[in-house]
Amino acid sequence: QTVVTQEPSLTVSPGGTVTLTCASSTGAVTSGYYPNWFQQKPGQAPRALIYSTSNKHSWTPARFSGSLLGGKAALTLSGVQPEDEAEYYCLLYYGGAEGVVFGGGTKLTVL
Amino acid sequence: QITLKESGPTLVKPTQTLTLTCTFSGFSLSTSGVGVGWIRQPPGKALEWLALIYWDDDKRYSPSLKSRLTITKDTSKNQVVLTMTNMDPVDTATYYCAHLEEGKDGYKPFDYWGQGTLVTVSS
Repeated sequence: QTVVTQEPSLTVSPGGTVTLTCASSTGAVTSGYYPNWFQQKPGQAPRALIYSTSNKHSWTPARFSGSLLGGKAALTLSGVQPEDEAEYYCLLYYGGAEGVVFGGGTKLTVL
Repeated sequence: QITLKESGPTLVKPTQTLTLTCTFSGFSLSTSGVGVGWIRQPPGKALEWLALIYWDDDKRYSPSLKSRLTITKDTSKNQVVLTMTNMDPVDTATYYCAHLEEGKDGYKPFDYWGQGTLVTVSS
């Protein structure tokens, strides 16, 4: 069973920068896993932020960016706003019978 | 404008079969590269992908739940149906359906989501 691992929690100050990562139990994450990132606030459905490693949806604020970093997928928030406090999930595409797998989520606190 | 909405029972008994319907608008499941997926989230826990169906009727299932899941589509009604057999209290969760698109622009799973429906499994 493939496992996708994220930091359970991170804290950042308003205006600061923070990087969330996403690792695969199968090895290094590459662009072929088409990393996606989602934001979820309490009581709401998830919202897509990043697809295929670094592409932003039309609604994604410019302060969010995606990349590959040290064998992991990464989501960087620059100039963090209080409204960025949320749970963030990554998703990796494994193809075939495995399909896609969500990470366990990172709870981001803005303090 | 793409919208999706889940419907189905809010309460099922253990061992029963759950049937959920996703009714969508703003896209067609007969368009190349388009798909619909189901994802669930137990209270206070992480998202879990369940199943996907593509425009060409290709179907994919979570390996851990494959034996219990069936996903089908009715293109004329703009609906996707998920059935899950042998429900257990651990299956209590909010169930979401979401739009998927793949093509030259990349792989965009779950760019649009329904509001979700809470299903409780209890006797």
